[in-house]
Amino acid sequence: GAVVSQHPSRVICKSGTSVKIECRSLDFQATTMFWYRQFPKQSLMLMATSNEGSKATYEQGVEKDKFLINHASLTLSTLTVTSAHPEDSSFYICSFKGFGGAVGNTIYFGEGSWLTVV
Amino acid sequence: QKEVEQNSGPLSVPEGAIASLNCTYSDRGSQSFFWYRQYSGKSPELIMFIYSNGDKEDGRFTAQLNKASQYVSLLIRDSQPSDSATYLCAVNQGAQKLVFGQGTRLTINP
Repeated sequence: GAVVSQHPSRVICKSGTSVKIECRSLDFQATTMFWYRQFPKQSLMLMATSNEGSKATYEQGVEKDKFLINHASLTLSTLTVTSAHPEDSSFYICSFKGFGGAVGNTIYFGEGSWLTVV
Repeated sequence: QKEVEQNSGPLSVPEGAIASLNCTYSDRGSQSFFWYRQYSGKSPELIMFIYSNGDKEDGRFTAQLNKASQYVSLLIRDSQPSDSATYLCAVNQGAQKLVFGQGTRLTINP
């Protein structure tokens, strides 16, 4: 089946530093990828939609200068949390949208990355 | 009104019984509906998707969709302790996005 690989699975960083999270689609070329954030006991909140070769589209309330998204190839999207603060500590999950074939028209998720800012 | 609503639970079901999870949505234009299972600390995994009114069965899982009532449900037959998880309902918004409900926490009691 379709596989989305996300790294790192856990990261601890100091306040004020930047952290990069990578998301790779292993079996399919993903023209569109999504980044979600999930705080404990809450649902997934879409942060931004990442389109290959173009600028990401951010949801209302998400700071594009703080959460930098790069989708430079059909298999790789990265999320960089810049100048991280403790309130940015969360579970970050990438996903890609399948398009027909074996994956259908569904969204598949990476394993997620736990970010803790101390 | 939230776009996708679920009862947060917890919903407790005895082992072997049928677990029924419900979801309502506000956008009448939604065409695609998904159920994801999320274990604590893990990423969501897709269980089923449904596009047409009626029932769709896959093993112990049955998804039910009623577009007129804007209602989608998931039935889990012969519930197992391993089914204990949070179940997320998701509905498409436009061609690209999925909007998620807050999830229902399900506990299967041995």
